[in-house]
Amino acid sequence: SAVISQKPSRDICQRGTSLTIQCQVDSQVTMMFWYRQQPGQSLTLIATANQGSEATYESGFVIDKFPISRPNLTFSTLTVSNMSPEDSSIYLCSVGREFNTEAFFGQGTRLTVV
Amino acid sequence: KQEVTQIPAALSVPEGENLVLNCSFTDSAIYNLQWFRQDPGKGLTSLLLIQSSQREQTSGRLNASLDKSSGRSTLYIAASQPGDSATYLCAVQGGTASKLTFGTGTRLQVTL
Repeated sequence: SAVISQKPSRDICQRGTSLTIQCQVDSQVTMMFWYRQQPGQSLTLIATANQGSEATYESGFVIDKFPISRPNLTFSTLTVSNMSPEDSSIYLCSVGREFNTEAFFGQGTRLTVV
Repeated sequence: KQEVTQIPAALSVPEGENLVLNCSFTDSAIYNLQWFRQDPGKGLTSLLLIQSSQREQTSGRLNASLDKSSGRSTLYIAASQPGDSATYLCAVQGGTASKLTFGTGTRLQVTL
């Protein structure tokens, strides 16, 4: 398994501001992902965080809104930029040791934009 | 495009009952299927991973089966307890990018 620390666990932010969420893993992993879970919905993949290069974004998500960094094999950040109330969601970091292996999730960041 | 559906959307059972949660997916070209548990407002806890070549996996009171050709999986929970109350999500992993496609979830309540 993998132990994932995600910070902050929750935050309430003003519209128009930005929030950076951190994901720290206790050991090196090949795959890191960021998901969003809107209220009452299932999880939707935002992007794959690639070490040392630009993240790979899913349809409907853009780098200007959700910039992602991954400087090494144990750490990644997701920034939610220029927030609006529609960004209120739980944001989750997920990791996999290798391609197509068991996925593990952090405890999530509950974001409320007012 | 892969689509994953879970039935039922919600389920309430008395303590001690055995129950089955269902998951179906449209594209059978998957590497594996994973069942998760999510408590309200929290992250996901991995319960069971079934590789595409496997038929079932067991962990304690949980048993998950996979019929890849028909695009179906079931999660069997034996002797349910109030602590089992949570949302259960299934997800399939396919393609070269290790991305998970999630189902809509089943919200389970086990009553005393």
